[in-house]
Amino acid sequence: DSGVTQTPKHLITATGQRVTLRCSPRSGDLSVYWYQQSLDQGLQFLIQYYNGEERAKGNILERFSAQQFPDLHSELNLSSLELGDSALYFCASSAPGLSSYNEQFFGPGTRLTVL
Amino acid sequence: QKEVEQDPGPLSVPEGAIVSLNCTYSNSAFQYFMWYRQYSRKGPELLMYTYSSGNKEDGRFTAQVDKSSKYISLFIRDSQPSDSATYLCAPGGAGSYQLTFGKGTKLSVIP
Repeated sequence: DSGVTQTPKHLITATGQRVTLRCSPRSGDLSVYWYQQSLDQGLQFLIQYYNGEERAKGNILERFSAQQFPDLHSELNLSSLELGDSALYFCASSAPGLSSYNEQFFGPGTRLTVL
Repeated sequence: QKEVEQDPGPLSVPEGAIVSLNCTYSNSAFQYFMWYRQYSRKGPELLMYTYSSGNKEDGRFTAQVDKSSKYISLFIRDSQPSDSATYLCAPGGAGSYQLTFGKGTKLSVIP
């Protein structure tokens, strides 16, 4: 158990809908990362937050947004869902400090299925 | 060319074999190199990391980085069925805090 929690575990929804994925980082971790994992694209970095502020953006679609709250939990919002958004969504957290290397601890993931 | 290329396998070996997993990368600015292991239906977990070129050994696992050829390797000695998982290489440190993951190699160790 990495100490990172994600809810829900599974989500099934329809095209055009909006969903929110939730992540609680390890106690004391300030950084939260979101990743999307699909069979054809592998693990793709979406976005990073550090202590409530956006730090880095990766391959995140405009239909997707995220935020990190004062209690450091984070939410990833996915809107106008398409079939291609079906994937595993992982959250990871890392220790305080912004050194170039910080081990990222991954949560168990949320499996999103868009029908 | 993708930033990180990794043969997806699957790779199937008998128990006790030596396994070699490899990645190539294109960004010469990468400074540190991670290997993550992901069991089925689980999140990735850090297995090993190395900084710059060279070797690092941890038990049955050895990570090797050759920055001149932009080549990363993970060797597993005396492989066990419990090593069956997907192995993802993830270089990082190219001016940001993010990691760039390879697609992963699925390994099966047959008893």
